[in-house]
Amino acid sequence: DGGITQSPKYLFRKEGQNVTLSCEQNLNHDAMYWYRQDPGQGLRLIYYSQIVNDFQKGDIAEGYSVSREKKESFPLTVTSAQKNPTAFYLCATQGADFEQYFGPGTRLTVT
Amino acid sequence: AQSVTQPDIHITVSEGASLELRCNYSYGATPYLFWYVQSPGQGLQLLLKYFSGDTLVQGIKGFEAEFKRSQSSFNLRKPSVHWSDAAEYFCVVGYSTLTFGKGTMLLVSP
Repeated sequence: DGGITQSPKYLFRKEGQNVTLSCEQNLNHDAMYWYRQDPGQGLRLIYYSQIVNDFQKGDIAEGYSVSREKKESFPLTVTSAQKNPTAFYLCATQGADFEQYFGPGTRLTVT
Repeated sequence: AQSVTQPDIHITVSEGASLELRCNYSYGATPYLFWYVQSPGQGLQLLLKYFSGDTLVQGIKGFEAEFKRSQSSFNLRKPSVHWSDAAEYFCVVGYSTLTFGKGTMLLVSP
């Protein structure tokens, strides 16, 4: 069953801790994306990767880091430097006509 | 800079009535255009997409959208809304990176 998996669905952390969000895909897509969604803000691009071992900053990369060691996986680390990390995080891959396919999301709450 | 404007934050439509969600964009050239739908706490689902050809495109769940180059618009329509259509709708434009509108929340009244 092809798709994108994000885990966990809900994540709670204390302020000052780094946390890593998982994103796995079996669609065989090269490009993968991380977005942050806040109420009334739409989606904002954090990082993206168009090929293994390469990634680019998006519009709001500060306080986040990523790696792309495998085609199937694109984990996102929310570091303690991110000033307002509580949000809904969405991972996506990109198809042949630039359409993006989204995972179910991870809701991160930092207190 | 690229931008997408969805002028309506919320829209309420009676079940069975028609729907039109507005979208205007600003981009250097005609980009790929998309509409996505999101139910609360879920990921986004692609409704339809346009790049070239017939300016009226059909999507899933009975939705359609019309591209008007002169108006830089890509409005989403549905002839008869069902209660299950209540969700947030995003107009999206771009190529390798996408620009999202801020969304329109559709409420369906009985």
